[in-house]
Amino acid sequence: ESVLTQSPGTLSLSPGERATLSCRASERVDSSYLGWYQQKPGQAPRLLIYGASSRATGVPDRFSGSGSGTDFTLTISRLEPEDFAVYYCQQYGSSPLFTFGPGTKVDLK
Amino acid sequence: QITLKESGPTVVKPTQTLTLTCNFSGFSLRTSGEGVGWIRQAPGKALEWLAVIYWDDNKRYTPSLKTRLTITKDTSKDQVVLTMTNVDPVDSATYFCAHRRILVPAAVFDFWGQGTLVTVSS
Repeated sequence: ESVLTQSPGTLSLSPGERATLSCRASERVDSSYLGWYQQKPGQAPRLLIYGASSRATGVPDRFSGSGSGTDFTLTISRLEPEDFAVYYCQQYGSSPLFTFGPGTKVDLK
Repeated sequence: QITLKESGPTVVKPTQTLTLTCNFSGFSLRTSGEGVGWIRQAPGKALEWLAVIYWDDNKRYTPSLKTRLTITKDTSKDQVVLTMTNVDPVDSATYFCAHRRILVPAAVFDFWGQGTLVTVSS
């Protein structure tokens, strides 16, 4: 079973700062099958990134994804007030078919 | 525009069967490549994928719950139903249904319902 680990667990930053979130897989992941979601309290997750680096429709270009193999990164270039949320990475693979990471909370410093 | 909405009981007793319905619009499960999945989230916890069904009636389940889950579709009603047997308090969670497309964007859920909170309690 492939496991995703996200770090840090919590990232405390100020608006305007750069956020770098890490997602590490226990087994190699095809980059085409790695996505990132944003979730705010009481809301459903929102797809941000698919294929490791492609932005979903309507996602601002301050969000970018990168990485390959077992190490992937979500970067928010300049935090806006609405970006404080929990971010999950997700892989599509063998078993289970879809796996989510434990999440990184980006909160206000 | 794709939308999905979950419905079902808010409280279920332990050992009972939970039935959740996802009503969707903006796509059809008659169309090649389309699929609907179920994902749950216990309070304060991470997301957990449960099941997915595709236009061709291909179904996949998370291994740890496979014996308790059944996913079906009714294309005439644009509806997907998830049943979970023998529920336990640990199954208390918000249950989301979500859209996925085989091709682009690949391997992710691009549209989600608002979720429905289910509590398992006697």
